[in-house]
Amino acid sequence: GIQVEQSPPDLILQEGANSTLRCNFSDSVNNLQWFHQNPWGQLINLFYIPSGTKQNGRLSATTVATERYSLLYISSSQTTDSGVYFCAVRAGGTSYGKLTFGQGTILTVHP
Amino acid sequence: DSGVTQTPKHLITATGQRVTLRCSPRSGDLSVYWYQQSLDQGLQFLIQYYNGEERAKGNILERFSAQQFPDLHSELNLSSLELGDSALYFCASSVGGVRGGETQYFGPGTRLLVL
Repeated sequence: GIQVEQSPPDLILQEGANSTLRCNFSDSVNNLQWFHQNPWGQLINLFYIPSGTKQNGRLSATTVATERYSLLYISSSQTTDSGVYFCAVRAGGTSYGKLTFGQGTILTVHP
Repeated sequence: DSGVTQTPKHLITATGQRVTLRCSPRSGDLSVYWYQQSLDQGLQFLIQYYNGEERAKGNILERFSAQQFPDLHSELNLSSLELGDSALYFCASSVGGVRGGETQYFGPGTRLLVL
């Protein structure tokens, strides 16, 4: 099956810093989503981005499908950005909706 | 709020018992997915239903079963529970989920603790 690798596994920042999280995947995809899992365990949709670039406030994401990677940018980080960031993909060519998740990047933002 | 609801939020039970987790998808969504998040396995897909029919199976144990009812809500049944079944169980929904890519919206999860 498709493999998803996220880097870095851990990231520690001071409030106000910028960061880039990366997601590599091993096959073509027709769905790529970024999630933020907050300390209470909730999975919050950030982006649906199988290709191209999107921005939402301080967050933006870019997926280069032909090179099989996606990047999540966080600017001017805040303590509330802390948590785990997951990339999840659905392999192209499959008829069903299974998402395969990466192992996540644990982000800690200190005040 | 994603619009996907799950009950209960927390569940504590004993080994060997059986529990039922419930999920209501977003209004208009026909597909329901179940995922399990455990410390050692990460987030894993269990099963997908589309408009009442099973569409895809992942790493779902034989002790686990699910169904989707005519009103599109879904239930995940876990039986003969073991300590290793302790995990966070998520339900997600999407409009279709049969062809093409589309956003899956996740519920708040049910945290299961087996003692």
